[in-house]
Amino acid sequence: DQQVKQNSPSLSVQEGRISILNCDYTNSMFDYFLWYKKYPAEGPTFLISISSIKDKNEDGRFTVFLNKSAKHLSLHIVPSQPGDSAVYFCAPPDKLIFGTGTRLQVFP
Amino acid sequence: DTAVSQTPKYLVTQMGNDKSIKCEQNLGHDTMYWYKQDSKKFLKIMFSYNNKELIINETVPNRFSPKSPDKAHLNLHINSLELGDSAVYFCASSQGSRDYGYTFGSGTRLTVV
Repeated sequence: DQQVKQNSPSLSVQEGRISILNCDYTNSMFDYFLWYKKYPAEGPTFLISISSIKDKNEDGRFTVFLNKSAKHLSLHIVPSQPGDSAVYFCAPPDKLIFGTGTRLQVFP
Repeated sequence: DTAVSQTPKYLVTQMGNDKSIKCEQNLGHDTMYWYKQDSKKFLKIMFSYNNKELIINETVPNRFSPKSPDKAHLNLHINSLELGDSAVYFCASSQGSRDYGYTFGSGTRLTVV
């Protein structure tokens, strides 16, 4: 029962360009989402969050957008940097159901 | 000064053995969790403790038993290990406010042979 889905397993972006990572969910009761970044052999690191009372939250190069009617959220990274290469997970907080993640590769 | 530390980082053991994974957090958080990352890379919650009390217990075989001696520690004991228990196990902690998310340990790779 995948309540959170990240349909793109991987994304490759050139340095300096925008990276857009997408996440879809099925439970309309979810009212808060978290994005995590994970490097190999490390635990996930909290990146940014968004509450359903907003449709956008920005933190430096990272912006998360929430479309409640479509049950869709996206993480934008602008400009992308090689150090952003990692696996990104989205999750609602209460039970921390993580999707399978999207592997982002930023190449020079 | 690691915030959430798990030991050991790697664990290779034979089927049928009993093993423990330890987790400690020095963030002063009041809630701790165990997650299992399966072969398809899903991260699934197993247990959650708040101030030493069990608050989430997902459908996990009762061979898995969490133990929280105090709110800074949540250990995972596994009895009669099976091949299917091979996975990466992550410990995490959180404190009240949702705004700060959860802090994860670096994971323990368990291999059952």
